[in-house]
Parts: sequence; C-alpha cells; structure tokens
Amino acid sequence: NAGVTQTPKFRVLKTGQSMTLLCAQDMNHEYMYWYRQDPGMGLRLIHYSVGEGTTAKGEVPDGYNVSRLKKQNFLLGLESAAPSQTSVYFCASSYRPGASGSNEQFFGPGTRLTVL
Amino acid sequence: AQKITQTQPGMFVQEKEAVTLDCTYDTSDQSYGLFWYKQPSSGEMIFLIYQGSYDEQNATEGRYSLNFQKARKSANLVISASQLGDSAMYFCAMREGPRTSYDKVIFGPGTSLSVIP
Repeated sequence: NAGVTQTPKFRVLKTGQSMTLLCAQDMNHEYMYWYRQDPGMGLRLIHYSVGEGTTAKGEVPDGYNVSRLKKQNFLLGLESAAPSQTSVYFCASSYRPGASGSNEQFFGPGTRLTVL
Repeated sequence: AQKITQTQPGMFVQEKEAVTLDCTYDTSDQSYGLFWYKQPSSGEMIFLIYQGSYDEQNATEGRYSLNFQKARKSANLVISASQLGDSAMYFCAMREGPRTSYDKVIFGPGTSLSVIP
C-alpha cells in the first residue's frame, strides 16, 4: 500500500497563477483533509470531505477550492495564487469516526508551495 | 483563544535520557481525544499515540507514554530512553466532540526536540 500520496512535491508559482494539488489514498478511507503548515502555527485545516461528492470548509478556506469526485482522490485548487499562500500543504485521510479507537489521520508527505 | 498550547518551542535532551513535552488543551466537551504526532526533518507526519478522554489508563506505545491529567487539561508526552532519531518537531492535537463527529482535529504549534549524543 502506498498510503497517502501527494502530487507535486514542490511547486513555485507567480502571483495570480492557478494550480491543483492532488491527493490520493489507497486505504479506502471515507474522510480526507487538506491542511496548511506555517512556521510556529502547527497545521490548520483548509477543507475536508466526509465522503465522495461532499466537501466542507475548515478553519482557513479562503482562496482555495476542493473537489472529491472519487473516494480515493481529494483535489485542492488555488484559482489565483497569492504570496500569503506560500506554505507546506498536507493531505490526510482517516476512517469514519467510530465508537472506539483512535481513528488517527494518516498524512501524505506534503507539498511545498512558493508563490512569488 | 488557543485550544492547544505547547509552551516549549525548543527542547534539548541527552541521548538515553527521558524527556517530557508539555501540552495543555482547552475544551468544554466531555468527550474528546488527544494525539501526538512526530514530524522529522524529512517532513512527514507520523502518528505516535492517542488518549481518549474517557480512557482511565494513560496511553503507552513502546517508548512513548502520555501523561494524561484530565482535571488540569494536560496531555504531556513522555519519551523514555531518547534516541538520536527522536530529534524532530512534535505536535499535540485534539479532536473535539464525540467520535461520530466529522473528526475535526486541532493542532498545537509544536515543540522542536533535539537529542544530544
């Protein structure tokens, strides 16, 4: 199993350009998440999905859009990149929360995005 | 208000010694979960240990244990017999609400641990 994979690993954009980050998981997880990580701030949730065809806003959704057309894929889009979106982006997935157990989130390796 | 506080931005520990990384949290929920993740310099996030708010015993996983003090709202991570490979950022995180919620997890700012040979 590959677990959670992210494409690309690195990207440099100019202000105003658009791009899509792809997240794929092969663990049959229902839930998927996009986070951004900035120095000194831990991880902040951008958007999440509780199943195929459903998405919802997290803590910092402005400037991003997402889609979950297939259960195994979760796409994060930047329509018009801004320097404030320079960050490391992590995708994660988990099972549907159940009655017991940790139900921890499994993370991808991250995408380092720089917006000039 | 910060939900997760990690007051130690950086910590040093001698190899083979034990170290405690502090974490305090703020929630009004009765049911919640606490996690610790490790992020080495390579960047990936690695799940270490979990404690449920109703768990009576402190969680342990190998060299990792979680010192859970519910009344004080603290969930400190204890690493015994530190190894050089333990040098990393450590994040405390909390899942609020019942386990049947959408699984919102809030992360703290992290503590950087350096193990000295």
